[in-house]
This record gives sequence, structure tokens and C-alpha cells, in this order.
Amino acid sequence: NAGVTQTPKFQVLKTGQSMTLQCAQDMNHNSMYWYRQDPGMGLRLIYYSASEGTTDKGEVPNGYNVSRLNKREFSLRLESAAPSQTSVYFCASTQDRDLYEQYFGPGTRLTVT
Amino acid sequence: QQQVKQSPQSLIVQKGGISIINCAYENTAFDYFPWYQQFPGKGPALLIAIRPDVSEKKEGRFTISFNKSAKQFSLHIMDSQPGDSATYFCAARGGSGNTGKLIFGQGTTLQVKP
Repeated sequence: NAGVTQTPKFQVLKTGQSMTLQCAQDMNHNSMYWYRQDPGMGLRLIYYSASEGTTDKGEVPNGYNVSRLNKREFSLRLESAAPSQTSVYFCASTQDRDLYEQYFGPGTRLTVT
Repeated sequence: QQQVKQSPQSLIVQKGGISIINCAYENTAFDYFPWYQQFPGKGPALLIAIRPDVSEKKEGRFTISFNKSAKQFSLHIMDSQPGDSATYFCAARGGSGNTGKLIFGQGTTLQVKP
């Protein structure tokens, strides 16, 4: 099992460009999450999907959109990138939203210039 | 708004020493308190977790101490080893009506010197 995979690993964007971060899990998990990690800020929830077909905003959703494509895949889109979105992005999944153990992917390091 | 406050931001400990990381929370609806460990270039991974009706939980060299009245909890790493060098995050789960959401602390970077 690969667990949670994310692509790309690194990306540099210019201000105003758009891109989609991809996430897939092969553990048959129902719930999936997108976080951003910034120095001194910990991990902050951007969006989550409690189950296939549902998505909800987290703590910092502005500037992002998500799509739960199917049970395996959950993508994060930046429509018009801004320097404030420079961060490391992590996707995570868990079997059920009532569980506290989330499985994280390796992350995508995004720089917006 | 930071609902879980973690300290210190960084910590240096000698091999064999005790590492202590502290967290404080405000929301009494939180119903689970996990700790995650993150090595450089990797995603976080669950290390140990505790429920608020338990005062202490130990797994090997890792112990969580929980003080419900003070709304504080801490991670103790006994006999710290260089391989424990990582970033540690405390977290709290949302509780009734808000399940599945974890609120993370700011993180503590631990360096264990040989």
C-alpha cells in the first residue's frame, strides 16, 4: 500500500497563476483533509471531506477550492496564487471522521513569487 | 484564532535526558488529544493520544500527562535519543458536532544532541 500520495512534491508559481494539488489514498478511507503548514503556525485545516460527495471549509479556506473526485482522490485548487499561499501543503485521510488518527501524505512545497 | 497553544517552539536536550513539551487549550468540548511526530521532509504521524478522562498514558518512552482542571497536557520523552529529533505537534479533536477536525498546536522542534 502506498498510503497517501501527493503530487507534485515541489512547485513554483508566479502570482496570479493557477494550479491543482493532487492527493490520493489507497486505504479505502472515507474522510480526507487538506492542511497547510507554516513556521510557527502549526498545521491549519483548509478544507475537508467527511465522506465522498461532501466538502466543508476549515479554518483557512479563502483562496482555495477543493474537489472530492471519488473516494480515493481529493484535490486542492488555487485559482489565482498569491505570495501568502507560499507554504507546505499536506493531504491526510482517516477511515471515519470520528477517528483521531489521520494519515498524512509527504507534502507539497509551494512557492509563489 | 489559536485554540491550542504549544510551548516551547524549540528544544535542545542531551541524549538520555527528558524532553517536555507543553500544550494548553480553551475549548472544553475537545474530546481527544493526540500528539503527532514529524521528521524532516515527511508528513506528521500519530505518536500517542489520550482522552480527557485519563490523567496519564504511557507508551514506551513517551508519556502524556493530562490536567483537565488546568486545561493543559504535556508530552514527556524519557531517555531522549538522537532519533527522536523531530517536530512534535499536540492536537485536540473537535468534539460533539465537530468530529473529525483536529486543531493543532504551533509545533515544537526537538533536537537531541548525542
